[in-house]
Amino acid sequence: QVQLVQSGAEVKKPGASVKVSCKASGYTFTGYYMHWVRQAPGQGLEWMGRINPNSGGTNYAQKFQGRVTMTRDTSISTAYMELSRLRSDDTAVYYCARETLIAAAENWGQGTLVTVSS
Amino acid sequence: QPVLTQPTSLSASPGASARFTCTLRSGINVGTYRIYWYQQKPGSLPRYLLRYKSDSDKQQGSGVPSRFSGSKDASTNAGLLLISGLQSEDEADYYCAIWYSSTVVFGGGTKLTVL
Repeated sequence: QVQLVQSGAEVKKPGASVKVSCKASGYTFTGYYMHWVRQAPGQGLEWMGRINPNSGGTNYAQKFQGRVTMTRDTSISTAYMELSRLRSDDTAVYYCARETLIAAAENWGQGTLVTVSS
Repeated sequence: QPVLTQPTSLSASPGASARFTCTLRSGINVGTYRIYWYQQKPGSLPRYLLRYKSDSDKQQGSGVPSRFSGSKDASTNAGLLLISGLQSEDEADYYCAIWYSSTVVFGGGTKLTVL
């Protein structure tokens, strides 16, 4: 079965960077785009961007352009999302989600809480 | 004005039906888009429910009961999520989403209270 397992919670200081990983299993990693979505405490879902694990091509939400970098390592079926110049309002749960023919985000990782605090 | 607008809350009684709206911004024609719906229970990750574009282009998520269905209201330029036979376990936040200009846009979500 499809599984997306994300890295553990992080605490960062303002101005720092964070890199979250998402290890995929149960399907061909390079066959499906991987999206990143975040959710601030008590707030809704916010799309950050996606990566094509086959080519490495990305497209990012305009809001995060210049601060987010999505990469992948096909040898270990893992996608990464790095967010730089962190601010307190970047405190959120960050999810990876697999795109399929059925849905833009059909399968979801368990989420990674990133806390930005001085 | 946001691309997708959802009411913040909705209340309904057990056994009744619930109708969620997802209104597209003026100038964005609902008929053109697949509307995706997600459910998120407190403390849980989002779950894909279904997508709806038309009766000939719709898809139910794996394991999602048939009492969840999608529709559209062209007169209000809105996508609809309908839940019949409400159960207490349906209490959750519901989000709509579309692909728009090569990005995914989520609505702000509607909190369903079953009481």
